[in-house]
Amino acid sequence: QKEVEQNSGPLSVPEGAIASLNCTYSDRGSQSFFWYRQYSGKSPELIMSIYSNGDKEDGRFTAQLNKASQYVSLLIRDSQPSDSATYLCAVRNTGGFKTIFGAGTRLFVKA
Amino acid sequence: DGGITQSPKYLFRKEGQNVTLSCEQNLNHDAMYWYRQDPGQGLRLIYYSQIVNDFQKGDIAEGYSVSREKKESFPLTVTSAQKNPTAFYLCASGIPGGAEKLFFGSGTQLSVL
Repeated sequence: QKEVEQNSGPLSVPEGAIASLNCTYSDRGSQSFFWYRQYSGKSPELIMSIYSNGDKEDGRFTAQLNKASQYVSLLIRDSQPSDSATYLCAVRNTGGFKTIFGAGTRLFVKA
Repeated sequence: DGGITQSPKYLFRKEGQNVTLSCEQNLNHDAMYWYRQDPGQGLRLIYYSQIVNDFQKGDIAEGYSVSREKKESFPLTVTSAQKNPTAFYLCASGIPGGAEKLFFGSGTQLSVL
């Protein structure tokens, strides 16, 4: 079992729709969870972080965390073509020394 | 401007050659990391360092070496023992601790001639 799992996609949504990205993790003691966006050929950039169960909203982005189910999700409302990228789920392991990344989900937003 | 600088942007390695990727940060971060990314895949941890003069192997350290003589610098050497070095290499830094987010450099694309 991979430590952080994501559906590789591609996920295709029309402009203006809600994109839903999902991630599961195996280390039950993990405390910190992140979503990074990566454009092709570029480095990842942090878009959301979440540390406690529930929802966290920032503009068009909402991160959701359920530690009991070991599940993290990212919702992008009013999706724009500029949101087309690979979204990487990352989890800080127990002990806090390593950040483990999922393989990423490719998102395409069609104009 | 504060940030992480990686160089070179593109690097070519000949058979049997060692090459070194540079990573410098002026964010005053104690922790630094090297990740490897293969096409269509996520980031895999090669080495990390929580403090000067100390570093730890990540998940795929074989064929790589690092040093951490200065807080600002964390160079990665890809040795001839790494038989499949073609990948996108990313350096990152952060503040050690459970809530740490990572700041990334712009990456180095390494290819084999």
